[in-house]
Amino acid sequence: DAGVIQSPRHEVTEMGQEVTLRCKPISGHDYLFWYRQTMMRGLELLIYFNNNVPIDDSGMPEDRFSAKMPNASFSTLKIQPSEPRDSAVYFCASSLTQGTDTQYFGPGTRLTVL
Amino acid sequence: GQNIDQPTEMTATEGAIVQINCTYQTSGFNGLFWYQQHAGEAPTFLSYNVLDGLEEKGRFSSFLSRSKGYSYLLLKELQMKDSASYLCAVRIKAAGNKLTFGGGTRVLVKP
Repeated sequence: DAGVIQSPRHEVTEMGQEVTLRCKPISGHDYLFWYRQTMMRGLELLIYFNNNVPIDDSGMPEDRFSAKMPNASFSTLKIQPSEPRDSAVYFCASSLTQGTDTQYFGPGTRLTVL
Repeated sequence: GQNIDQPTEMTATEGAIVQINCTYQTSGFNGLFWYQQHAGEAPTFLSYNVLDGLEEKGRFSSFLSRSKGYSYLLLKELQMKDSASYLCAVRIKAAGNKLTFGGGTRVLVKP
């Protein structure tokens, strides 16, 4: 398996623009997680899905952030409008179940908002 | 909420042993993970503990004491490639089994 795939790997945009991050989980994994990592706050869970349904979005910072999972092989995280404080590395991870199963992380998208 | 503490940075010599401690305060504990993250890369799974005791995997071992809210990751026979951040993450059953990560410990291995 190719592992978790994320695109783009790097994104530079200007404040106020819409940003869409994409993720393809490992085939057969039922859970998908979106994380954000910064030096100040470390690795934070934003939202996770089970079987394409959002289960917990309590980590989503504000209404500017939204996430969707239209099917088992694709998810998006959208920021509209983007702000400089959104600059971070955004990771997508997937796992087979949420029991003892390991979460496998994608390579991340490094977002810079100018 | 959950409080997870680990040292910010540690330095060790190639061939030596380093122990990275992680303490947590939470209710509904349902397992502890250690991840390794090289600079500019994604976290990768190292170990999982849910019961008290030591889990050994080659040069890496992880220990858990649930009563003390304490875990450590032991890295033996350090190699230069072990220079990375090591993240402790706690799973809470009441929180839907999602993971909460500590801030990470940056380990620098010197020749």
